[in-house]
Amino acid sequence: QWELQESGPGLLKPSETLSLTCTVSGGSITSNNYFWGWIRQPPGKALECIGGVSYSGSTYYNPSLKSRVTISADTSKNHFSLKLTSMTAADTAVYYCARHSGWFGGYDPWGQGTLVTVSS
Amino acid sequence: QSVLTQPPSVFAAPGQKVTISCFGSNSNIGNNYVSWYQQIPGTAPKLLIYDHNKRPSGIPDRFSGSKSGTSATLGITGLQTGDEADYYCATWDSSLNAGVFGGGTKLTVL
Repeated sequence: QWELQESGPGLLKPSETLSLTCTVSGGSITSNNYFWGWIRQPPGKALECIGGVSYSGSTYYNPSLKSRVTISADTSKNHFSLKLTSMTAADTAVYYCARHSGWFGGYDPWGQGTLVTVSS
Repeated sequence: QSVLTQPPSVFAAPGQKVTISCFGSNSNIGNNYVSWYQQIPGTAPKLLIYDHNKRPSGIPDRFSGSKSGTSATLGITGLQTGDEADYYCATWDSSLNAGVFGGGTKLTVL
């Protein structure tokens, strides 16, 4: 059974860089036809796709975040990571990692999510 | 402002049926697969429907999905109080080259 678990700091100061890791268990991230994605949800607001990566390193990013985002996969550690630079209060959100099919059929499974707060 | 448009809220009585709509365009729903998620506050979203109308194992057949043109619909029959949650649609947007979500619909069963 696949399980995903986010890890990283819960509190950042404005202008700092967020680094989150999603550790995958129950299977390999090198499995064909899967992408590994990051989604976030500001308090009381809707879900927002940040981007994703395949095991081979193909990536896609939300255009509104593209200049600040890097998503990468580490097959040796069976995890993938998110870096988001120049954090502001508007980036305060619960950050989720999830798997989706190559044709973006649906995100499943999801990690439990981690709250990241940006405050001075 | 979300790329996909959903009604902010829907209400229905226990045992009844409800539908939740999701409106998009040719660059997203019109040419890509739609998925639906249930999110109970404080928890991660759960996949209800993928590839327009398929249910993952463990999802009861009270939940159904359909797509027509540039819109999609989630249907829930035999409503239970435990179905109270936020529901989101999602798909790929070929113009943005990224995934997109709807703004979410809060279902109240009363």
